[in-house]
Amino acid sequence: DVKVTQSSRYLVKRTGEKVFLECVQDMDHENMFWYRQDPGLGLRLIYFSYDVKMKEKGDIPEGYSVSREKKERFSLILESASTNQTSMYLCASSLDRGVYGYTFGSGTRLTVV
Amino acid sequence: QKEVEQDPGPLSVPEGAIVSLNCTYSNSAFQYFMWYRQYSRKGPELLMYTYSSGNKEDGRFTAQVDKSSKYISLFIRDSQPSDSATYLCAMGGSNDYKLSFGAGTTVTVRA
Repeated sequence: DVKVTQSSRYLVKRTGEKVFLECVQDMDHENMFWYRQDPGLGLRLIYFSYDVKMKEKGDIPEGYSVSREKKERFSLILESASTNQTSMYLCASSLDRGVYGYTFGSGTRLTVV
Repeated sequence: QKEVEQDPGPLSVPEGAIVSLNCTYSNSAFQYFMWYRQYSRKGPELLMYTYSSGNKEDGRFTAQVDKSSKYISLFIRDSQPSDSATYLCAMGGSNDYKLSFGAGTTVTVRA
């Protein structure tokens, strides 16, 4: 089975800090995604990457950036954390344009105080 | 109008009941359809996958796709308390990198 591992389950950071969320997948998937999930708003796509060093903005990229230096690793960066970025962050990967669906990580619950 | 509409519920049913969940969509290019189950404080996991129209059954779960009506359904028979979760529909086209998700329906099965 494909495994998508997010480095932290829970994080608490201060306003203005630079925050790194790490995601690693172990099945050689080309595509990787970062979503945030908030009650009543569902899943919202922040960024995705369809190849190493390639990235595309999703629906809500403001305040975020990403890095994909290696195929298996996709990092989400909050340049200057704000309280409205308190959320559940989900990483996912897929093979073949997502035709067979995504595999999600367990999520990182980020609280910005 | 959202590309994928899903009633968020919540839905509460007694143990043993049939749970019926559905989504409607507007993009006729969608060809593959999925249901994900998400337990509290966990990531979504793929539950059912269907390509194009038709039915697919897996144990107590049945997924139905009606492309002519742009409507998909998930049925859970003999529901158990362990089925209590949020269920998200998702769909995409063959040229898409991104899936389109419904908002999710929260289901509680009462023992």
